[in-house]
Amino acid sequence: GQNIDQPTEMTATEGAIVQINCTYQTSGFNGLFWYQQHAGEAPTFLSYNVLDGLEEKGRFSSFLSRSKGYSYLLLKELQMKDSASYLCAVRLLTGANNLFFGTGTRLTVIP
Amino acid sequence: GAGVSQSPSNKVTEKGKDVELRCDPISGHTALYWYRQSLGQGLEFLIYFQGNSAPDKSGLPSDRFSAERTGGSVSTLTIQRTQQEDSAVYLCASSSPGQGARETQYFGPGTRLLVL
Repeated sequence: GQNIDQPTEMTATEGAIVQINCTYQTSGFNGLFWYQQHAGEAPTFLSYNVLDGLEEKGRFSSFLSRSKGYSYLLLKELQMKDSASYLCAVRLLTGANNLFFGTGTRLTVIP
Repeated sequence: GAGVSQSPSNKVTEKGKDVELRCDPISGHTALYWYRQSLGQGLEFLIYFQGNSAPDKSGLPSDRFSAERTGGSVSTLTIQRTQQEDSAVYLCASSSPGQGARETQYFGPGTRLLVL
């Protein structure tokens, strides 16, 4: 079976740094994605990792360790608009190439 | 260009009725996915279309669910004899294959279905 674990909720202060962790156990692995989803809106692509290490993109960075089945999303210089759900998803080795999603982490940024 | 669009944005129906949900993918995207997002649950894969190939229906929860894609573009997800547990947000995503594992899915805003 497939399983992805993320914290359900997190709260952080504007201007701070927050790390959202994701652990996965899947029968296949072909890359890990992070999506941002504001309430009532479509998930939007943030990052992709398939090799171990850190990928940096502006205020957002994503890390992957395949041997540990672990990833994190790092958000720096938090802004109020960063309040959203952050979805961790693993691309499975299936014919459908579909993504298997965690339940998401709801981040609230407070002043 | 325009993103993925879905209609209707909201749908309220009575138990037992049939519903049709529509998805217009990004122009030129040959891959199309349907997912379901229930309250407190992760996105659940339903069905996948790629070009003219037979769809991968492995995620459909029951035979009440079906989908088609006409002309390789617009897709319709049909739920027959709706049940209250079908209430969820139905999300469509499209992608342009050929990027290997880096292929990125772009999501539409979803259709919020409420079955009374």
